[in-house]
Amino acid sequence: DSGVTQTPKHLITATGQRVTLRCSPRSGDLSVYWYQQSLDQGLQFLIQYYNGEERAKGNILERFSAQQFPDLHSELNLSSLELGDSALYFCASSATGTGTNEAFFGQGTRLTVV
Amino acid sequence: GNSVTQMEGPVTLSEEAFLTINCTYTATGYPSLFWYVQYPGEGLQLLLKATKADDKGSNKGFEATYRKETTSFHLEKGSVQVSDSAVYFCALSDFSGYSTLTFGKGTMLLVSP
Repeated sequence: DSGVTQTPKHLITATGQRVTLRCSPRSGDLSVYWYQQSLDQGLQFLIQYYNGEERAKGNILERFSAQQFPDLHSELNLSSLELGDSALYFCASSATGTGTNEAFFGQGTRLTVV
Repeated sequence: GNSVTQMEGPVTLSEEAFLTINCTYTATGYPSLFWYVQYPGEGLQLLLKATKADDKGSNKGFEATYRKETTSFHLEKGSVQVSDSAVYFCALSDFSGYSTLTFGKGTMLLVSP
């Protein structure tokens, strides 16, 4: 158990809908990362938050947004969903989010868009 | 930009065979290098890491050496077990950034008894 909790584990929704994925980082970790894992693109970094503020942005679509709350949990919001958004979404956390801090990954949320 | 290339799988081995999974990278500066493992139905777990040239990371019998001259970080294990069957990801973290990881596409390892 990495200590990172993601909910829900599975999500099935229709095209055009909006969903929210939730992540609780390890106790004491200030930085949260979101990654998308798909068969064609592999594992891609989406966005990072540190202590409530956005720190780095990767290949995140404009239809996607995220935030980190004062209690440090994070949510990834995906809207106007398309079939191609079907993927496994991972959250990871690390202590400070800089240097060589180890990132601990949750078990992921599998999103299926039908 | 940063990129990681690792050998495509699946790699199929018999128990106690020697394992090598190749990984090369492209990055500016001096990245840190990682191997992560993903067991079926689970998230990624850090297997080992190396933060500077010539460092050797090791864990659970797996080893990888940071080779700056060949920009490589190949994963090796002397004797694999059935329980090592998983997907292995090579990754780098640009030290000038904020610990975001760039991953290779992953290599599936299948070990048969």
